[in-house]
Amino acid sequence: QKEVEQNSGPLSVPEGAIASLNCTYSDRGSQSFFWYRQYSGKSPELIMFIYSNGDKEDGRFTAQLNKASQYVSLLIRDSQPSDSATYLCAVGISGNTPLVFGKGTRLSVIA
Amino acid sequence: EAGVVQSPRYKIIEKKQPVAFWCNPISGHNTLYWYLQNLGQGPELLIRYENEEAVDDSQLPKDRFSAERLKGVDSTLKIQPAELGDSAVYLCASSRNTGELFFGEGSRLTVL
Repeated sequence: QKEVEQNSGPLSVPEGAIASLNCTYSDRGSQSFFWYRQYSGKSPELIMFIYSNGDKEDGRFTAQLNKASQYVSLLIRDSQPSDSATYLCAVGISGNTPLVFGKGTRLSVIA
Repeated sequence: EAGVVQSPRYKIIEKKQPVAFWCNPISGHNTLYWYLQNLGQGPELLIRYENEEAVDDSQLPKDRFSAERLKGVDSTLKIQPAELGDSAVYLCASSRNTGELFFGEGSRLTVL
């Protein structure tokens, strides 16, 4: 059974701070890792993906992957109230295999 | 480029009634997915299509759920008969061969 674990939160951070969202996965064969943001009542939207160990930066977002520890994280710098949402971690074996999603972490950025 | 289109957005039915959801994926995306999302949970895969072939349907409750993707484009997900526990959001997503899923707005089902 492939599992993707996330702390459900809520994670509360003050505006301007760094939000750190974490995710662990059980299948060592996992090759692709995605972070989706989901606003309340809306569908998930892709923020970032990462395939290789290390960091990947895109604007205020940084994804970090450590395959040895089976751990992937998302850092949000200069957090804004508009970042308040649920963040879903999703993991795939390779290519076009169906993604397995975690339950999501609810982030609240306090102005 | 148009996104994934789903309908209806909302559906309220009584238990034991049938219901159907429709999805039109992004043009050129050969892979289509149906996910189910309960409140406070992540999406869970129901079925995945590669063109018109269902390649992963192990999580689809086949006694009451059925799906089809004729001509490898649009897809329909049907529930018959619906049960109270089927109340959820049904998400359709599509992708090219990269694994990056693009979701539709979802169809929220309430079974009374």
